[in-house]
Amino acid sequence: AQSVTQLDSQVPVFEEAPVELRCNYSSSVSVYLFWYVQYPNQGLQLLLKYLSGSTLVKGINGFEAEFNKSQTSFHLRKPSVHISDTAEYFCAVSESRRGSTLGRLYFGRGTQLTVWP
Amino acid sequence: DVKVTQSSRYLVKRTGEKVFLECVQDMDHENMFWYRQDPGLGLRLIYFSYDVKMKEKGDIPEGYSVSREKKERFSLILESASTNQTSMYLCASSTRDTSNQPQHFGDGTRLSIL
Repeated sequence: AQSVTQLDSQVPVFEEAPVELRCNYSSSVSVYLFWYVQYPNQGLQLLLKYLSGSTLVKGINGFEAEFNKSQTSFHLRKPSVHISDTAEYFCAVSESRRGSTLGRLYFGRGTQLTVWP
Repeated sequence: DVKVTQSSRYLVKRTGEKVFLECVQDMDHENMFWYRQDPGLGLRLIYFSYDVKMKEKGDIPEGYSVSREKKERFSLILESASTNQTSMYLCASSTRDTSNQPQHFGDGTRLSIL
């Protein structure tokens, strides 16, 4: 089974500051990696995903993430945040082998990003 | 556009009641999932289904059951609701056998058991 650790439960930052949300995973097989965002009173939206190829992945709203296989990490970054980025962010993994457990995702516990003016 | 619809945004029920949470997707997806979300615990998988009438237990199936009679609809059932089942419930769907396809989520049902 997979496990995902989001190292910070809460990250407060000021508007226009850079931010990094950390995610580490453990798995005995190759994985796909995802970041989802949840705005208040809404479901989860896909922010970006890593499947293969370039380890730097760009997503929506100016976010990007870097896959580091040796450190089993997939940290999310944004160079300059806005008030509207205030939300909860979830890191998730799934097995990449064909026929694996039907696209099951394993989620971290989430990081609440709060952007202050 | 992709759409996963959960029948209720907010629901209040009494202890011991049988509770049904409904989820419908319009994307012809084979896989459907039910999660519960609690502060500090993230999303925990309750049940999932990979085809009509098929179901698999997730990590926390106790106290829950599911029904998938049609491809587009996946119901979560609380047989006898208890206060510790007060939570946010999220439904999701995805295509089959492609772990790299993202799950699409509904907006959630916030369930309170009194």
